[in-house]
Amino acid sequence: GAGVSQSPSNKVTEKGKDVELRCDPISGHTALYWYRQSLGQGLEFLIYFQGNSAPDKSGLPSDRFSAERTGGSVSTLTIQRTQQEDSAVYLCASSLGTEPFFQYFGAGTRLSVL
Amino acid sequence: KQEVTQIPAALSVPEGENLVLNCSFTDSAIYNLQWFRQDPGKGLTSLLLIQSSQREQTSGRLNASLDKSSGRSTLYIAASQPGDSATYLCAVRRDSWGKLQFGAGTQVVVTP
Repeated sequence: GAGVSQSPSNKVTEKGKDVELRCDPISGHTALYWYRQSLGQGLEFLIYFQGNSAPDKSGLPSDRFSAERTGGSVSTLTIQRTQQEDSAVYLCASSLGTEPFFQYFGAGTRLSVL
Repeated sequence: KQEVTQIPAALSVPEGENLVLNCSFTDSAIYNLQWFRQDPGKGLTSLLLIQSSQREQTSGRLNASLDKSSGRSTLYIAASQPGDSATYLCAVRRDSWGKLQFGAGTQVVVTP
């Protein structure tokens, strides 16, 4: 596609429910990143994929968070048993995976946990 | 631990004035530094990327400088316009994977 696409754009869920957030990177981009933007913490790195592998998961805040990538393309970020502190905008970015690792960002998914 | 700080947090200027946005980082071992623009409800748009070996980058009315040894970068926007109103974020690339660490941003309002 022309850009990084994220869905849904908005998600409202109840505390304790599981949610899945989807990211479609730019075609041909091998690197994919998830970031989270919240009022108290700013914009934080969550996880990085190169192809279908995730060599850096250091930003995932707890074991309730997981992510996968299939076919070297679409990625899904799953949050289990959502908590109110999970409310944030989740941003996905993709890159060619070569220097200088220029990242293109999607518009984000705004998650609200009630 | 790397920290990225942006000052001021908010800035309001009349149209036509030049904008000066500051970014500081505590660890000079960076690969590059990027400046992004974020409009409400939208993702990030990259404005300029400065490699660690470079001192500045220019694009149109935008100029960004980098002083790695002192841990500072400055974004200059010449002759500001109301369309420049947005939040501006700086980010340092910390590792070989391309992971970015962001500052909290400067919210800019340019009044007509």
